[in-house]
Formats: sequence, C-alpha cells, structure tokens
Amino acid sequence: AQKVTQAQTEISVVEKEDVTLDCVYETRDTTYYLFWYKQPPSGELVFLIRRNSFDEQNEISGRYSWNFQKSTSSFNFTITASQVVDSAVYFCALSEDSGGYQKVTFGTGTKLQVIP
Amino acid sequence: EAGVVQSPRYKIIEKKQPVAFWCNPISGHNTLYWYLQNLGQGPELLIRYENEEAVDDSQLPKDRFSAERLKGVDSTLKIQPAELGDSAVYLCASSLDHRGTDTQYFGPGTRLTVL
Repeated sequence: AQKVTQAQTEISVVEKEDVTLDCVYETRDTTYYLFWYKQPPSGELVFLIRRNSFDEQNEISGRYSWNFQKSTSSFNFTITASQVVDSAVYFCALSEDSGGYQKVTFGTGTKLQVIP
Repeated sequence: EAGVVQSPRYKIIEKKQPVAFWCNPISGHNTLYWYLQNLGQGPELLIRYENEEAVDDSQLPKDRFSAERLKGVDSTLKIQPAELGDSAVYLCASSLDHRGTDTQYFGPGTRLTVL
C-alpha cells in the first residue's frame, strides 16, 4: 500500500480560481512530519511547508493554505486565486523514523496547470 | 545562501557508457541524499550520507551504481555501465542532519538520457 497517496494526477484550473490538492498518508508512527514541495518545469523541488504530527493547526501563507487532519490522515493544500506561476507538479511527502534516521516517502505528485 | 548545486544539468550517453553526477550541498548540511525520479513519479531514495558515511544505501543498485562523499561535503554518484532504464532525473538533497525535523533542500537535478 502506498504510504502517500495523491489521487489527483492532473488538475487544470482557470487563473484566479481556487484549487485544492489532496494528500492522504499512512503511518504507524505517532511522531512524523509532512511536507509539500513544488516542482516547476525547471525541475528543482522547492520546499513549501513542513508540519509535525502534533500540530494540527491549519496554516496560511499568502495565497497558500494547508489543512492537516489526523482523523482522516490527510494534509491538503489549497491555492487561493491561482496564478499561471503556480503551474507545477506538487508533491506531498511523509517523514518517519527509520532506525534513528528520517525516511521520506513522496507521493506521485499532482500536476497543476493554471490556464490564463 | 547558495542552494544545493548539481552538475551537469543534462547528460546524454549511449548505453554501456559510464556517467557521473556531482552534488555540492548547502554549506553546513551534514546529511546528503541522492534520489532517482522517474517521469511522472515522486523521488525515490538511492542513498543517504551522514557526513562521509553512507548510512542507508539499501535502494542503490550496487552492481552498477556507486557513490562517494569524500570529506563529508560534496558527493559523486556514478553509473557504470548505464542501461536504457537508467534514464531519469537524479536529484541531490541536503539537510542539517538526519532528524525528522530537518527539511531536505533539493538541487535542480541531472536529467540523464541513455540511448
């Protein structure tokens, strides 16, 4: 079973629309970390956010917001008023302890296309 | 502060040829990672270094892949000989240390095409 599931393979929205990218994870650890990365066409993964398992507060950063719900093992990402520059592949990732070291598992990514 | 540097950005080789990728992590970052990213997939860990020690290389195909991190700073990943299926993006990342609290920062990757 996949540890990180991003069911949406591709999403297209028109500029200024809001869009939510889903992420569902699976872990037996009580302490873990969740991440979102953005991968634009240039290829570099850009860190967006890190959330630990004990902090369920939602976070907002400009047009970006994240909804972490342990009850449903979800860590969804919403972009408000999308822009063309938001077009990229977005990856959700889970970090768990593996023998004292962190092991990060990435989802398969959601490709977001924002149409002008 | 400079980010993770990788070179080359692109490499095209014929099968059975050797190839090497270089990575310089963010200054002060003790942990370095090499990932493989196939088209349409997320990155998959190949090897992780704590300083100069490879602490997790369980996913590295050791018959043809090798890596080193001399002096615990920059690192080289080598494939010899390359196969058609090795065509992918090879990403390098670094973090301050190995704890789960530390974020991994990625380089731009090397896109390898094996003909």
